[in-house]
Amino acid sequence: GAVVSQHPSRVICKSGTSVKIECRSLDFQATTMFWYRQFPKKSLMLMATSNEGSKATYEQGVEKDKFLINHASLTLSTLTVTSAHPEDSSFYICSARVDTRSSYNEQFFGPGTRLTVL
Amino acid sequence: TQLLEQSPQFLSIQEGENLTVYCNSSSVFSSLQWYRQEPGEGPVLLVTVVTGGEVKKLKRLTFQFGDARKDSSLHITAAQPGDTGLYLCADNSGGYQKVTFGIGTKLQVIP
Repeated sequence: GAVVSQHPSRVICKSGTSVKIECRSLDFQATTMFWYRQFPKKSLMLMATSNEGSKATYEQGVEKDKFLINHASLTLSTLTVTSAHPEDSSFYICSARVDTRSSYNEQFFGPGTRLTVL
Repeated sequence: TQLLEQSPQFLSIQEGENLTVYCNSSSVFSSLQWYRQEPGEGPVLLVTVVTGGEVKKLKRLTFQFGDARKDSSLHITAAQPGDTGLYLCADNSGGYQKVTFGIGTKLQVIP
């Protein structure tokens, strides 16, 4: 159990276009999902916390209008990178917290999406 | 915000050797998690430690939480090539259930 999927796994796009990444909890409900970004040889940096039915909470320095997050159901959150530029190229990873689990905020991660902006 | 330091950052060892990696914090953890991440994949949770002095074992992996809950170690016995990956410690003491990750230890086990 506690499987999280992401789609697509890889995407290449032209500068100026928008890209949508989906994060799904396959066998559990997740009121809260998280979006991370990881640069080569670096750790995961939290971008935003996605809350079902409400606005996402963004970390300092993350542009809300550039990284649009929608958490429309208890099993799906989407991240849209708008007007992508080469510096947005990165590995984007989502995670989900299992609603029914009581222990210690354990999160389960998706496999990640590799975004390359040309 | 917790500042997590992991050491060493890189480690390359021969198959069969033992190793220990460390995670240290500037303040007390409420709980600490260890993850392993393989290239091109998301992190996979290995263990959560909560109580100071706690020791947990997962096959050849032994996790220890410091008595003061400000540090943790991961010891691998008889390392195998399948242990290769990035080992991340993480703290979830932040508000809104945020998890803060250390920079990780990149382990390579050579056959």
